[in-house]
Amino acid sequence: DTAVSQTPKYLVTQMGNDKSIKCEQNLGHDTMYWYKQDSKKFLKIMFSYNNKELIINETVPNRFSPKSPDKAHLNLHINSLELGDSAVYFCASSKGTSEINTEAFFGQGTRLTVV
Amino acid sequence: GQNIDQPTEMTATEGAIVQINCTYQTSGFNGLFWYQQHAGEAPTFLSYNVLDGLEEKGRFSSFLSRSKGYSYLLLKELQMKDSASYLCAVRDGNYQLIWGAGTKLIIKP
Repeated sequence: DTAVSQTPKYLVTQMGNDKSIKCEQNLGHDTMYWYKQDSKKFLKIMFSYNNKELIINETVPNRFSPKSPDKAHLNLHINSLELGDSAVYFCASSKGTSEINTEAFFGQGTRLTVV
Repeated sequence: GQNIDQPTEMTATEGAIVQINCTYQTSGFNGLFWYQQHAGEAPTFLSYNVLDGLEEKGRFSSFLSRSKGYSYLLLKELQMKDSASYLCAVRDGNYQLIWGAGTKLIIKP
């Protein structure tokens, strides 16, 4: 029944490792996002996909690579993890980017800790 | 640049009323959202304003003045469960959501 689900909820890993976070939405939305929420609590957009096509790619290191196998999934792969990558990563979805009144639905978040 | 400003933290008493302000400067405007985020949880949608004026939804109301780049969220009859962070977000001219850092609201008995 969960609208936007992401796994895992917690991820503790060592520097230099490669890890993936998975996200799935069952709302039939066209657009999916990855956000990073750091210790200052700012939500920063990282990527946005519309119908499996990348439409926003903010200035993030190319160690971060999103992959959208279909409209309902947007996974985030991170290579060579660094201490500064520690944050909470939220997946979200919405009806469409050009529709004005379209709220975003968020997953539960993945708390990534790099040690 | 684009920015959203809101107070870092506010404290209020159970049963009272509190107003959380948000000012914004963005390139274009396509609506303003308020979200609630409890500690350790995901943000959840509260309200949306695109025209000037007050939108009321139960105990929560949201106001917008586009000419002033200003919004507020008004919470009435505060309950302990309202303790959370309240995030203001503006959809800019490119339909991107620009987020504020959130206001942590502490409710005291």
